[in-house]
Amino acid sequence: SQELEQSPQSLIVQEGKNLTINCTSSKTLYGLYWYKQKYGEGLIFLMMLQKGGEEKSHEKITAKLDEKKQQSSLHITASQPSHAGIYLCGADGSTSGTYKYIFGTGTRLKVLA
Amino acid sequence: DGGITQSPKYLFRKEGQNVTLSCEQNLNHDAMYWYRQDPGQGLRLIYYSQIVNDFQKGDIAEGYSVSREKKESFPLTVTSAQKNPTAFYLCASSSFLAILAKNIQYFGAGTRLSVL
Repeated sequence: SQELEQSPQSLIVQEGKNLTINCTSSKTLYGLYWYKQKYGEGLIFLMMLQKGGEEKSHEKITAKLDEKKQQSSLHITASQPSHAGIYLCGADGSTSGTYKYIFGTGTRLKVLA
Repeated sequence: DGGITQSPKYLFRKEGQNVTLSCEQNLNHDAMYWYRQDPGQGLRLIYYSQIVNDFQKGDIAEGYSVSREKKESFPLTVTSAQKNPTAFYLCASSSFLAILAKNIQYFGAGTRLSVL
C-alpha cells in the first residue's frame, strides 16, 4: 500500500526565515494535497498538485511536485508566527482518483517571534 | 456560511459506554469521511461514504460504526468494543470531480474524545 513520509517531523524557525517541508511517496502520486492544521482544530486546504514539475504559490507558500511525481515540497518564505501549525500532505493513489486518500504523519512548525 | 459542523467539541466516555459524534455538512458534497488523529501521528481513515445509504470501512474501522441516512449527516458511534478511543476525531466532506481527478476535502473543527 502507498505510504507518505514527511520530513522533518518538527521544525522551529526564527521569524523571517525560509523553510522547506518534504513529502515523499512510495508510489507515483496522481494528486497531492497540502493542508494546514492549527493545534486542536480541523485541516485547511492549501494547494493541490497533479502534474509532474507543477508549482503553485499562495501568498508566501509555494508547493512543488517533482517530475517523477513521487516527491513534493512546501516552501515558506519569510516565515511569520501565523504560519505555525501542523502541515500535512495527502495523496490520491490511482490515476482515476478515488474517494479516499492517505495522509502523511505531519510536520509541526513553530515560528519564534 | 457553508461548512462542516462537528459536535460536541469535547466528549467523555465511561467504560462500556457507546458514544456518538455528530457531523453535519451543508456543502452539498456527496462524500464524507471520519478520521482519527493521535498525538504525533497523521490522520487515519475510520469510515467513508460516497453516497447516501452506502459506506465503506477505512483502515481502522474496528470498534466504530457509522450511518449515512441523509446526504448532510454522517454520525460516528464509538462503541465499547473500541478499547483505546481517546483521540481527536475529524470529519470531512468532498465533492469528488472524477473528470479532473480532484478530491479536495473540507474538515470540521474536530471532537476530542477522552475516557473517564
